[in-house]
Amino acid sequence: DGGITQSPKYLFRKEGQNVTLSCEQNLNHDAMYWYRQDPGQGLRLIYYSQIVNDFQKGDIAEGYSVSREKKESFPLTVTSAQKNPTAFYLCASSMGTGRNEQYFGPGTRLTVT
Amino acid sequence: AQSVTQLGSHVSVSEGALVLLRCNYSSSVPPYLFWYVQYPNQGLQLLLKYTSAATLVKGINGFEAEFKKSETSFHLTKPSAHMSDAAEYFCAVTGRSGDYKLSFGAGTTVTVRA
Repeated sequence: DGGITQSPKYLFRKEGQNVTLSCEQNLNHDAMYWYRQDPGQGLRLIYYSQIVNDFQKGDIAEGYSVSREKKESFPLTVTSAQKNPTAFYLCASSMGTGRNEQYFGPGTRLTVT
Repeated sequence: AQSVTQLGSHVSVSEGALVLLRCNYSSSVPPYLFWYVQYPNQGLQLLLKYTSAATLVKGINGFEAEFKKSETSFHLTKPSAHMSDAAEYFCAVTGRSGDYKLSFGAGTTVTVRA
């Protein structure tokens, strides 16, 4: 079965700790994306990558970091510099052209206390 | 830059009634447009997309949307609501060149009354 997996589903951390969210896809997609979702705000783009070993900042990249060492994987690190990290995080992938839809993973709900 | 506005953050319909969710886009060139659905604590699932092949687009679960350039709209409809349609719906837009980023609307939550 092709798709996108995110793990874990729920994640709890103490303030001041870095945490890494996993995203893996077996769709052979070139492009991958990370979004943050907060109630009433839709989805906001954190980082995206159109090709291995390259990525760009989205609209709200401060306090986050990513890597793209393999086509299948695009992990997101939420650093202690992120002022308000508690949110629902969604990973997506696409063939990389605008007319092609993005496929989404099931999401990771991060709670920082 | 492209953007979309979804009118109405909450919509309540009776089972069997028409579902109408409004989306207006802002773009300097004809865009690509998408509607996604999200059930609680899940990822987004594509309902349908407009890529300029036809202005009336049919999607999954009985939904359809019509692209109206003169009104810069891409409203989503379903003739008869089911209880299973209760979810949050997002309209999204991307351009035809460049970095393929999607811009999402704030979402519309649909409640279906028995």
